[in-house]
This record gives sequence, structure tokens and C-alpha cells, in this order.
Amino acid sequence: QVHLVESGGGLVKPGGSLKLSCAASGFNFIDYYMTWIRQAPGKGLEWVSYITSSGTYTNYADSVKGRFTISRDNAKNALHLHMNSLRAEDTAVYYCVRVTPTPSGSLIDYWGQGTLVTVSS
Amino acid sequence: EIVMTQSPATLSVSPGERATLSCRASQNVSTYLAWYQRKPGQAPRLLIYGASTRATGLPARFSGSGSGTEFTLTISSLQSEDFALYFCQQYNNWWTFGQGTKVE
Repeated sequence: QVHLVESGGGLVKPGGSLKLSCAASGFNFIDYYMTWIRQAPGKGLEWVSYITSSGTYTNYADSVKGRFTISRDNAKNALHLHMNSLRAEDTAVYYCVRVTPTPSGSLIDYWGQGTLVTVSS
Repeated sequence: EIVMTQSPATLSVSPGERATLSCRASQNVSTYLAWYQRKPGQAPRLLIYGASTRATGLPARFSGSGSGTEFTLTISSLQSEDFALYFCQQYNNWWTFGQGTKVE
């Protein structure tokens, strides 16, 4: 059974940093692309960042480009999101999400329960 | 960015009734459309992908249809465990999501 468990959320001051982690189990982690998706209070879901199975290629939403870094440790079945220069608008629940390539596109198929990041002074 | 719009925001139905949820894309996404269910305290669950393909283990009362810009999720006979938030998502051009329909 696929299991994704996020950790590392919490309260941080504007301009601060935080590292989110996701522990993956129940599938062959190295075979899958992974992504982070967030939902701010009262807002819709927003894709944040994406990483290929080997970690060679990454991409970011414009709203976090230059401030966030996605990485993975395939030996430990772990996904990370390093967040710097945090802003109030980064306050959100952050979800670790698995991506499965299919003939009809890159499908998001499994989600974690999310971890809350609050940026406030 | 492809904007996904869902309607209605809230759908009030009784157990055993049919529920029809709509999702509209601002651009053609072909059939690169998925539906998810989310309950409080739980991870979102994939229901439908490719606009009409049921995820493994999904009861047959759930069905998806549509292509291009107009999509529908139908729950033929609502069960108590189906009361939840449902959101659509396009994966034709990265990923964008609808705001969700709450079935109550």
C-alpha cells in the first residue's frame, strides 16, 4: 500500500527557512516522479515543485522559483523541499504527491495527508 | 495557466440519490482530466483519470465523462461514505485544480 508521510511543517517568521520531508513506502520510490502541492487557507490547490525519478530534472512554480529547492534521496525513499525567504503567502498545507507517467499524461495518483507551514511574525 | 472551474460549490443530496458534478477547463485539455475525493483528515484519493477511467477498486457507481473543456463526475446512488469534497484536475499542461464541490 502506497504511503506518503510529510513532516517538518511549523511556524516560521517571514524571511525564515524550513525544510519539509516526505517518507515514502509501499512502492518502488526510484521509479516515480514526485511533486509538492500546496493549499493556502481559503484558496485552491497549487502545484509547487516537481522532480524526476533520478533527480536530474526539477521545475518550480513562478511563485517559489529561486526560493524553494526540491530534492530526493532514493536510497532513503525520501523527498524534501527546502524553503527559503519565506513569505506570509507561503502559508499553506503542503502535500507530498506521487506522479505516474501514463500514455495520457503525468498523473497524480497518491497524496500524503499534508503538513502545515505557517509564516507569521 | 489553464483555469479549472467547478460547479456547484455545494451539492445537497440524500443517500441513494444521483449526484452530478461539473468541471470546466479554460482551454482544451483533451481527456487529461482527473477527479479526486477528499475527506477531513485524510489524503486526497484518486477516483477517475483520463476523464472516464476508474481508479483501481473504485465502485462502479462512480463514473466520469467529457473531453475538451467540459467534464462530469456522476455518483449514481450516493452512499453515506461518499459525502466529501470532490475536485477536478487537468494534467494536459502541468497541473491545475478546480476549487472543489462539497457533496453534503
